[in-house]
Amino acid sequence: DAKTTQPPSMDCAEGRAANLPCNHSTISGNEYVYWYRQIHSQGPQYIIHGLKNNETNEMASLIITEDRKSSTLILPHATLRDTAVYYCIVRVVPYTGRRALTFGSGTRLQVQP
Amino acid sequence: DGGITQSPKYLFRKEGQNVTLSCEQNLNHDAMYWYRQDPGQGLRLIYYSQIVNDFQKGDIAEGYSVSREKKESFPLTVTSAQKNPTAFYLCASSITGTANTGELFFGEGSRLTVL
Repeated sequence: DAKTTQPPSMDCAEGRAANLPCNHSTISGNEYVYWYRQIHSQGPQYIIHGLKNNETNEMASLIITEDRKSSTLILPHATLRDTAVYYCIVRVVPYTGRRALTFGSGTRLQVQP
Repeated sequence: DGGITQSPKYLFRKEGQNVTLSCEQNLNHDAMYWYRQDPGQGLRLIYYSQIVNDFQKGDIAEGYSVSREKKESFPLTVTSAQKNPTAFYLCASSITGTANTGELFFGEGSRLTVL
């Protein structure tokens, strides 16, 4: 699975858009980009995933660059409840063998009032 | 409601004691996973199981054991051989096969403290 690089922390003002970047320059053609978030002392929560097209759901939007070497998770109107650690993960679907998701250190997003 | 239930939420243990963490899911998922998380760190895979009566070691399996006798249950035993067991333990599940979207469903975690 391709390695990802995320900034360790970011701040965002409440009500503004939070744009969380992820670099995955070694991504291969059949690897998807996944985003999860973990609120303090809880289990991670799936947010969104995509292959090459931009994706949007009720939680967020995922923008993947044309060369697929980086992506941005956008929370359009951040609230205090969005304060969490956000994980960007790259992997092939479906699973075969020893291929569970690997979570790095992520980006700690602090939404400020 | 469907989901994953971990128990206990908090657990204290003396050194040298084994302890078992429970993980139950009613999502009808074939695959289940155990992760460990240390403060300020990401998640590390301990064990995973793709099907009943089968499980595989993850990246940090030493000092841990699991069983998968039922589809719904995947208990994790932290043995006395685990040198640094104090951590936050997370159980997850997913579907497998062609319908697999890659999404993991997590429980709320169990926090183990060794005194």
